Amino acid sequence: GAVVSQHPSRVICKSGTSVKIECRSLDFQATTMFWYRQFPKKSLMLMATSNEGSKATYEQGVEKDKFLINHASLTLSTLTVTSAHPEDSSFYICSARRLAGQFYEQYFGPGTRLTVT
Amino acid sequence: DAKTTQPPSMDCAEGRAANLPCNHSTISGNEYVYWYRQIHSQGPQYIIHGLKNNETNEMASLIITEDRKSSTLILPHATLRDTAVYYCIVRVARFGSGAGSYQLTFGKGTKLSVIP
Repeated sequence: GAVVSQHPSRVICKSGTSVKIECRSLDFQATTMFWYRQFPKKSLMLMATSNEGSKATYEQGVEKDKFLINHASLTLSTLTVTSAHPEDSSFYICSARRLAGQFYEQYFGPGTRLTVT
Repeated sequence: DAKTTQPPSMDCAEGRAANLPCNHSTISGNEYVYWYRQIHSQGPQYIIHGLKNNETNEMASLIITEDRKSSTLILPHATLRDTAVYYCIVRVARFGSGAGSYQLTFGKGTKLSVIP
C-alpha cells in the first residue's frame, strides 16, 4: 500500500509556543489530505480537510487560527499548532487520499504525539 | 455521527478465528463497507473493503449480508499482533457515484484483545 509519513513522531513544547507537524505522501500524489486528532482512549476526530493549493475546510468547533494548515504541494501538508496550551496535547494523525481510477483510496500516517507542558 | 454499530470489546484466543461484527442498517446503495484497525499509538491501517460481495485478502475476509445491513470481519488465525481497535466505516468510495460522504468517519470501534 501507499506510504504516508509524519514528522516529528513525538514533540514536547512549552505552553505558548508553536509547533509544526509535517505530513508527506511518499509514493503518490495526494489530492486531498486530512488532519485528525485523538485523545486517550477516544476515537479519531476529523479536524480539517485540505486540498492542494486551496484553503482548508475546518470541522465545527476547530479553530482555524489556532490550527493552521498549509497544503503547498500534492505530497506535503503541514499542521501548525499556534500558541499551544496543555489542552492541545493529543495524538495528531494525518491522512492522504488519492483517486485511483474511479475509486478513492485513503492512507494514514503514523501519528504525532504532542505534549504541551 | 458514525453510521455503524460495533461491540466495544472482544476477546479471542491466539490461533483461533476472530469474528468482528458490524451493523450498518442505514447504509446507502453507493456506500462501501471499510475496515481499518489501529494498533496502540499508531495510525489506522487499512484492512479490507467491500460493496456487497464477500471479499478476502492476505489480512482478512469480509462477509457482507445479502441485505447489506451488517457485516463481519474475519481474522482467520488471530495472533497477538492483531490486538488493536477495529473500525468499521461506511462511505462512498466511487468518484461521481452520487450523494454521500467520501470522508472516513470513525466511531468507537471494537477493541480486540488476542489472548495467549
